[in-house]
Amino acid sequence: DAGVIQSPRHEVTEMGQEVTLRCKPISGHNSLFWYRQTMMRGLELLIYFNNNVPIDDSGMPEDRFSAKMPNASFSTLKIQPSEPRDSAVYFCASSPLKASSYEQYFGPGTRLTVT
Amino acid sequence: GNSVTQMEGPVTLSEEAFLTINCTYTATGYPSLFWYVQYPGEGLQLLLKATKADDKGSNKGFEATYRKETTSFHLEKGSVQVSDSAVYFCALSDPGAQKLVFGQGTRLTINP
Repeated sequence: DAGVIQSPRHEVTEMGQEVTLRCKPISGHNSLFWYRQTMMRGLELLIYFNNNVPIDDSGMPEDRFSAKMPNASFSTLKIQPSEPRDSAVYFCASSPLKASSYEQYFGPGTRLTVT
Repeated sequence: GNSVTQMEGPVTLSEEAFLTINCTYTATGYPSLFWYVQYPGEGLQLLLKATKADDKGSNKGFEATYRKETTSFHLEKGSVQVSDSAVYFCALSDPGAQKLVFGQGTRLTINP
């Protein structure tokens, strides 16, 4: 079975450019999460969706960040304009909506470098 | 609020040594507890979980027991291998809440 798919795996861009990260969750999973990982701040939850609806975006750092989930099999995280401090690894994770536990399944990540 | 505290790394051991990585938590109610592992250049993978007190999660020789009286979920393995070198994250989720709260991660290096 395919796991969570993210693209691109690596992105290098210049400050001020728009960056779009993409994620395809595991088929049948109802929830999708976007995380950011840096050495300084560790793993941070940015936003998550249930059934394509954003539930909690309190972790989105500022208005430069936006996320969408137009359907159950695709989500994007956009940064516009990008800044050097946005350099990090961005992970997408998905989860089935079950009451027993809420384990999440992570993609391989997108390593973003903003110069 | 909910929080997870892991022992600070890095941890360096020799092959076949016994491993313990401590994890304690603060939470309301009865959270589910998880250990995730992150190998170099990869995303986090679920290693094991426990959903109620006294449950023991186990996988790939790793074990952790949900101890409500000490609010702990320590990760153990009897004999580590070089391939176990990775970063290990302890995490919790509240019942009815989907957000995971992660510890800061513990980097483990196993030398041959």
